[in-house]
This record gives sequence, structure tokens and C-alpha cells, in this order.
Amino acid sequence: GAVVSQHPSWVICKSGTSVKIECRSLDFQATTMFWYRQFPKQSLMLMATSNEGSKATYEQGVEKDKFLINHASLTLSTLTVTSAHPEDSSFYICSARRASGRSDTQYFGPGTRLTVL
Amino acid sequence: RKEVEQDPGPFNVPEGATVAFNCTYSNSASQSFFWYRQDCRKEPKLLMSVYSSGNEDGRFTAQLNRASQYISLLIRDSKLSDSATYLCVVGPGAQKLVFGQGTRLTINP
Repeated sequence: GAVVSQHPSWVICKSGTSVKIECRSLDFQATTMFWYRQFPKQSLMLMATSNEGSKATYEQGVEKDKFLINHASLTLSTLTVTSAHPEDSSFYICSARRASGRSDTQYFGPGTRLTVL
Repeated sequence: RKEVEQDPGPFNVPEGATVAFNCTYSNSASQSFFWYRQDCRKEPKLLMSVYSSGNEDGRFTAQLNRASQYISLLIRDSKLSDSATYLCVVGPGAQKLVFGQGTRLTINP
């Protein structure tokens, strides 16, 4: 299957700092990538849709100035959590959409566990 | 009401048993349906897509009932390695996916 990588796997940072997470599709080009957040024992919640070459589309309640998304190429999207606070601690997962045959499929990266102290 | 609803479980079944999960969705215009599995502290992995005619992949069978807006997953001859959280996922369109809360399954030896 398609491979999506995410870096870093985990990060611990101090409150007020910014953290950048990278998402790469390794063996296919992805015009669309998605960023999700998952809190413990909860479902994945879509934060934003990242489109190559254009602005990201944010879901209701997600602050676009806090969660900066850049989709600079067909294989790379980045999420920057600016001025992180403890409540931003979560599991951040990206996915890349690959259109093939009968249906679109999203392939997920391994996730980034963010802990803000 | 949640867009995708699942019984969170947990379900504990003995190895070799058959187990079934259901999931309901609220958006009647939904186009795509999937089951993903997620292991503890890992990313979701696609288990199978769900088609209107129903489909089978080895020990796994998925069914879709558009009239009642529910999706099912049946696991036969369960293995210890089947222990995971199973996520029902619905695509309102071609792009966005909506995840259910997940159903936690533990297969006991």
C-alpha cells in the first residue's frame, strides 16, 4: 500500500513555543492532504484540508492562525502549532488522499504525539 | 447526534469466535464507506472499503444498508491479532472522511 511518513514521531515542548510537523507521501503525489487530531479515547477529528498550491480549508472551531498549514509540493504538507499550550497536547495524524479506481483512499501517517508542558 | 455512531465497547471475545459490529451514519448523501483498524497509539490503517453489494476479504465481511444507513463488519474465526479498535468511516463526498468513535475489541486466548 501507499506510504505516508510523518516527522517527528513525538515531541515534547514548553508552553509558548511553536512546533512544526511534516507529512510526506513517499510513493505517490497527493494534491490533497488532511490533518487530524485525536485526544485520548476519542475519535479522529478533522482539523483542516490541505491543498497543494492553495490555502488550507479549516474545520469549524479550528483556529487557522494557530494551526498553520503549508502544502508546498505534491508530496509534502506541514502543520505548525504556534504558541503551543498544554491543551494542544494530542496525537496529530496526517493523511494523503490517493485517487485510484473505484474510490478515493486516504493513507495515514504514523502520527505525531505532541506533549506541551 | 453524531454523524457516525458506533458502540465503543469494549468487546471481549474468545479466540475463534465470530464477532460483528454495526455503525450508523446520519448523512444520507454519503458516498464512501470504510472500516479502519487502529492499534493502541498508532495511526488508523484501512481494513476494507465497503461497497453497496457487500464485500468479503478473507475472514472479514462488510455490509452496507443504505436504506437504514448502517454498516456492519463481521469477523470470523477471530485471532489474537484482531485485537484493536475498529473505526467506522464515512465519506460524505469524495474527500472528507468522518470517523466514528471506534469499537474496541479484545480477543482472549
